[in-house]
Amino acid sequence: AQTVTQSQPEMSVQEAETVTLSCTYDTSESDYYLFWYKQPPSRQMILVIRQEAYKQQNATENRFSVNFQKAAKSFSLKISDSQLGDAAMYFCAYRRAQGGSEKLVFGKGMKLTVNP
Amino acid sequence: DTGVSQNPRHKITKRGQNVTFRCDPISEHNRLYWYRQTLGQGPEFLTYFQNEAQLEKSRLLSDRFSAERPKGSFSTLEIQRTEQGDSAMYLCASQGDNQPQHFGDGTRLSIL
Repeated sequence: AQTVTQSQPEMSVQEAETVTLSCTYDTSESDYYLFWYKQPPSRQMILVIRQEAYKQQNATENRFSVNFQKAAKSFSLKISDSQLGDAAMYFCAYRRAQGGSEKLVFGKGMKLTVNP
Repeated sequence: DTGVSQNPRHKITKRGQNVTFRCDPISEHNRLYWYRQTLGQGPEFLTYFQNEAQLEKSRLLSDRFSAERPKGSFSTLEIQRTEQGDSAMYLCASQGDNQPQHFGDGTRLSIL
């Protein structure tokens, strides 16, 4: 079974600074997707960024970028120029690329605090 | 695109009662998922529909839980004879082909 581990339960960052959130996963599959989702307090889960495992190039979405290390099964999220609105729970998630449902397997999440 | 809608937002009930939640997915999405999220944890998969067919159920989904998607549009999740351990946030997500999952706001269930 696939597992996703987020070892840091909480982090804080100063506004305008950069922060990196770590995630590791375990799978025997060669083709899969990895995601970072953001869940603000009492609000819905929002997709931040997606990475296809077959792509060597790291995904980037504006201030958000990932460092995908397939051999190490590591998938970290870097947030640049942190803003107050980035404060939220962040979840790393895995999904098989083929076969069966495309259910997401989530880590336990990490609470990010942004200090003004 | 009005997003995924879940009702009710909150449900408080006494232990032993039955509850039903509704999820209205994004209209063109053929896949629909239910997840359960307890405090301090990430969401855990419960069940999956492709159109009206329920194709996968988690072992977390005991006999007291049932889900339907009768016309391949909205879905309901029913919990019979609720227990304290059922207290959680129940999340619904929908997905189109080659698209990521979009989540609703969830239904928070509290068992007294």
